[in-house]
Amino acid sequence: DIQMTQSPSSLPASLGERVTISCRASQGISNNLNWYQQKPDGTIKPLIYYTSNLQSGVPSRFSGSGSGTDYSLTISSLEPEDFAMYYCQQDASFPYTFGAGTKLELK
Amino acid sequence: QVQLKETGPDLVQLTQTLSITCTVSGFSLTTYNVHWVRQPPGKGLEWMGAMWNGGGTDYNSAFKSRLSISRDTSKSQVFLKMNSLQTDDTAKYFCARHDAYGPFDYWGQGVMVTVSS
Repeated sequence: DIQMTQSPSSLPASLGERVTISCRASQGISNNLNWYQQKPDGTIKPLIYYTSNLQSGVPSRFSGSGSGTDYSLTISSLEPEDFAMYYCQQDASFPYTFGAGTKLELK
Repeated sequence: QVQLKETGPDLVQLTQTLSITCTVSGFSLTTYNVHWVRQPPGKGLEWMGAMWNGGGTDYNSAFKSRLSISRDTSKSQVFLKMNSLQTDDTAKYFCARHDAYGPFDYWGQGVMVTVSS
């Protein structure tokens, strides 16, 4: 199985700040990397697919990049609604696997 | 609009079988895939398996032969069945829609299942 190592696990940040979350795969995943946001009420929505493609309806302050085994999600200027959990997911091979999550919290 | 809704028991006894139904609307099961993902309390997401639009399935080997996914396209329903439940199967179970070229784009609200001894 491909292991996804996400960092940091917790990220205190302020409104308006630029933040980056990283995700490292245990082997190359050829850009087959997605990012999801989970709100405290449990609602999950996709943000980025295939490394850098913005899901429809997602604000442009979200962006993704990476290649090979290393990927990242950047939020350019934090809004109040961005404080949530974030997960990366590889769908390069079965079983699809998720990172352990990053909790983005208000500093 | 696209919706997925999971229905199932709140509580299942140890070693018994879990059955959850994902009822979808706003799209066809013969066009989109449906995946099952679970999340133990306070923990991360775990992919369980998929029902492909053509009717085939794939499973996470972590569940060995305990897991079965099926569907009834006439009712727009996808079914998860897992036997020999243990306490570490306590989790919220989600179904999610997927097309071949993107992420899991719509998720249900999930159903919280507790395995009790």
